[in-house]
Amino acid sequence: QVQLQESGPGLVKPSETLSLTCTVSGGFISSFYWNWIRQPPGKALEWIGFISYSGSTNYNPSLKSRVTISVDTSKNQFSLKLSSVTAADTAVYFCARGTPTTMITDYWGQGTLVTVSS
Amino acid sequence: DIQMTQSPSSLSASVGDRVTITCRASQSISRYLNWYQQKPGKAPKLLIYAASSSQSGVPSRFSGSGSGTDFTLTISSLQPEDFATYYCQESYSTPLTFGPGTKVDIK
Repeated sequence: QVQLQESGPGLVKPSETLSLTCTVSGGFISSFYWNWIRQPPGKALEWIGFISYSGSTNYNPSLKSRVTISVDTSKNQFSLKLSSVTAADTAVYFCARGTPTTMITDYWGQGTLVTVSS
Repeated sequence: DIQMTQSPSSLSASVGDRVTITCRASQSISRYLNWYQQKPGKAPKLLIYAASSSQSGVPSRFSGSGSGTDFTLTISSLQPEDFATYYCQESYSTPLTFGPGTKVDIK
C-alpha cells in the first residue's frame, strides 16, 4: 500500500520560504507524478503543482513565480518550496500521487498545517 | 483556466436518502472529472475517477455520471459515514482545479 507523509516546519515567518518534504513508502517514486495541493482553513482545495519522476514540473500560474518542486528519487522523496510567504499562504499542505496521462490523484498524505505568522 | 462549480453548496439529508450533487465545468472536459470525499481533519479520498469509474474499495452506493461540462455524484442510500464534504476536480488540463465543495450534513 502506497503511503505519503509530509514533513516540515509548522510555522513560517512572513517573507520567508516555506519548505516541505513528502516521503513516499510502499512504492517507488518512478512512473508517477507527484503533486502538492493546499487547503486554507475552511476553504476549498488548491492545486500547487506537480513533478514527474523524470523531473519535469508543472505549476499553478497563480503561484508559479514563488514555487519550486523537486524530487530525490534516491530517497523516494519530493519537496516543495514556496517563497515570500504571507498570511494568505496559511493552509494545510497535502502531497499526493498522480497517475500519468489521466492525472488522477489517488493517494494522499495526511496533510500538514503551515501557519505564516511572525 | 477551467472553472468548476458545484451545487448545492450544502445540503441536509437523512440516513437512507438518495443524494445527488452536481458539478459543472466552464468548458468541455470530456470525462476527465474526479470526485473526492473529505472528512474534517482528513485528506480527501478518491471516490470516482473518469466521471463514472469507482475507485477500488468504494461502496457501490456511490456512482458518477456525465461528460462534457455537466456531471453528477449520486449516493443511492446515505449512510452515517457519508456525512462529509464532496469535491469535484477536473484533470483535463493544468492547472488542475477543484470545485468549491458540497457539505452533506445530518438533517
